[in-house]
Amino acid sequence: QSALTQPASVSGSPGQSITISCTGTSSDIGGYNYVSWYQQHPGKAPKLMIYDVDDRPSGVSNRFSGSKSGNTASLTISGLQAEDEADYYCDSYTSIRTRVFGGGTKLTVL
Amino acid sequence: EVQLVQSGAEVKKPGESLKISCKGSGYSFTTYWIGWVRQMPGKGLEWMGSIYPGDSDTRYSPSFQGQVTISADKSISTAYLQWSSLKASDTASYYCAREFGGSSYGHWGQGTLVTVSS
Repeated sequence: QSALTQPASVSGSPGQSITISCTGTSSDIGGYNYVSWYQQHPGKAPKLMIYDVDDRPSGVSNRFSGSKSGNTASLTISGLQAEDEADYYCDSYTSIRTRVFGGGTKLTVL
Repeated sequence: EVQLVQSGAEVKKPGESLKISCKGSGYSFTTYWIGWVRQMPGKGLEWMGSIYPGDSDTRYSPSFQGQVTISADKSISTAYLQWSSLKASDTASYYCAREFGGSSYGHWGQGTLVTVSS
């Protein structure tokens, strides 16, 4: 069970949009609509931003959106703000009834 | 309000045993999966396993199977993660998290830092 593949880092200027990809296989991302995205600030617990591929929990800004195509899921953040600077992790349910996280992406707001 | 409160930081020696806890409140403890997630210093999140306190159904990541034991005591709404023989490589922060919508973790504990050093 290998970790899902994410870019190590992405960056963008305030107001811009960025997209973080998360690539898995047909045994995880491609097989289920159970992809989640988490935001983690340094020294803090992760926070759920997107679940079931493209749903947002109550209280999460609509600047955050999710999608999936085949074995790759994506998180898009529009209207970048300084407070969005954090680490982002994807996560998927798998065919062996476990979960697997991505390696994480560091977002820098320039 | 859903809350997960984890036990405090631990400093242990290699070979020692350890059991850390995660107490849930503000919801029906027996009807939601609780997972455990490792984060080694400066590294990413790793899913270790999860338990359904209602019937103690437990699942483990292949990477952690046999290395740790996950359990729960529904009478006190508490889940546990334990090691029988710690290694220096077990040094990490460990988070418990409760499922949200059945497919994600919407509620997280504050984390427990475990340091294993001789």
